[in-house]
Amino acid sequence: AQSVTQLDSHVSVSEGTPVLLRCNYSSSYSPSLFWYVQHPNKGLQLLLKYTSAATLVKGINGFEAEFKKSETSFHLTKPSAHMSDAAEYFCVDINKYIFGTGTRLKVLA
Amino acid sequence: DAGVTQSPTHLIKTRGQQVTLRCSPKSGHDTVSWYQQALGQGPQFIFQYYEEEERQRGNFPDRFSGHQFPNYSSELNVNALLLGDSALYLCASSNPGIYEQYFGPGTRLTVT
Repeated sequence: AQSVTQLDSHVSVSEGTPVLLRCNYSSSYSPSLFWYVQHPNKGLQLLLKYTSAATLVKGINGFEAEFKKSETSFHLTKPSAHMSDAAEYFCVDINKYIFGTGTRLKVLA
Repeated sequence: DAGVTQSPTHLIKTRGQQVTLRCSPKSGHDTVSWYQQALGQGPQFIFQYYEEEERQRGNFPDRFSGHQFPNYSSELNVNALLLGDSALYLCASSNPGIYEQYFGPGTRLTVT
């Protein structure tokens, strides 16, 4: 059974507006959850990771995510989108090497 | 400091053929994992090698096999290619107990 579910396959935002990419997990134990970004024709890059330390995790390029056990969620946010944020984003349960199906973020000028 | 490198970049094969993909891990890493990413989907874990042995395996048939060399580089072999094997094959390196994986740019395999 899929252990991470990305709720939106596509998200469009205007430049300068907030970004929210949703990820829910299902696990009988506390997972280790990562967010990776994949730009076209480039390798996967780690944005941030949760490994049972602080529940609010800050990553690169202004992204952050909050681990909420009560909601089994690990949503990725950014206060203000930039054109360069347009890419595919993956939520990952690294304990099981399971990637979500991805969310393609489009940033409109 | 070289990151994860993979070769070749692109490859075209015919159904039934065999293919070998290669990966060199990031300097200082000794664990290599392989993933298959079909078009429009997330990467799927194939297997992981550490100390020249397959340590974990995903839900892939025996047609997919691998090898790790003493210098930690790795090969992924796929036999009896099917059209459905067309995908981007990603290699990632890490160290044991450290969850963070560094990914290479991938090898694009097309099976015709």
